[in-house]
Amino acid sequence: SAVISQKPSRDICQRGTSLTIQCQVDSQVTMMFWYRQQPGQSLTLIATANQGSEATYESGFVIDKFPISRPNLTFSTLTVSNMSPEDSSIYLCSVQFKDTQYFGPGTRLTVL
Amino acid sequence: AQSVSQHNHHVILSEAASLELGCNYSYGGTVNLFWYVQYPGQHLQLLLKYFSGDPLVKGIKGFEAEFIKSKFSFNLRKPSVQWSDTAEYFCAVKRGGSQGNLIFGKGTKLSVKP
Repeated sequence: SAVISQKPSRDICQRGTSLTIQCQVDSQVTMMFWYRQQPGQSLTLIATANQGSEATYESGFVIDKFPISRPNLTFSTLTVSNMSPEDSSIYLCSVQFKDTQYFGPGTRLTVL
Repeated sequence: AQSVSQHNHHVILSEAASLELGCNYSYGGTVNLFWYVQYPGQHLQLLLKYFSGDPLVKGIKGFEAEFIKSKFSFNLRKPSVQWSDTAEYFCAVKRGGSQGNLIFGKGTKLSVKP
């Protein structure tokens, strides 16, 4: 399996500010994903980030709001920009490793 | 569009009771199927997966799931639950043979009373 760590584990932010979430995996992986899990909801895919190419965003998510970096095969960042209370959620990093997706512990974001 | 349905939002059982959590999906082609579990305060963990072969799949901690292609179902079962099984359970589907995305169900919260 792949072991994934995320920083920060949680944060409380003011509206209008931005937060960058880091994701580190212990193996080299081609495909990394960013999900959002809103309170009481299931996981929603934000974007797929493959190393060496631009991230692919799902419907309803745009690069200006959620810019992603993928500088190498073990690391990615997701920035939540110009935050509003509606962005309060858990943000999860995920990787594809040998046909299975593994998930990080998540970053719990509260926007005031 | 693909979708995954989990029939129960919240299931409450006593210890030693049997468990079955329903999962149905809408995609008609080849699929890879997964059950993930999220224990309180912990991250999502893979419980079991089905890609091909024997439709009865055994996972960790005594869980198993049966793939019934004709019913588009992948129900999760455990003959005797323990208090430590209290968690949220997510069914997920991915189109087989591709690098497609995981589609998650809304999750079922399981509470086991000691």
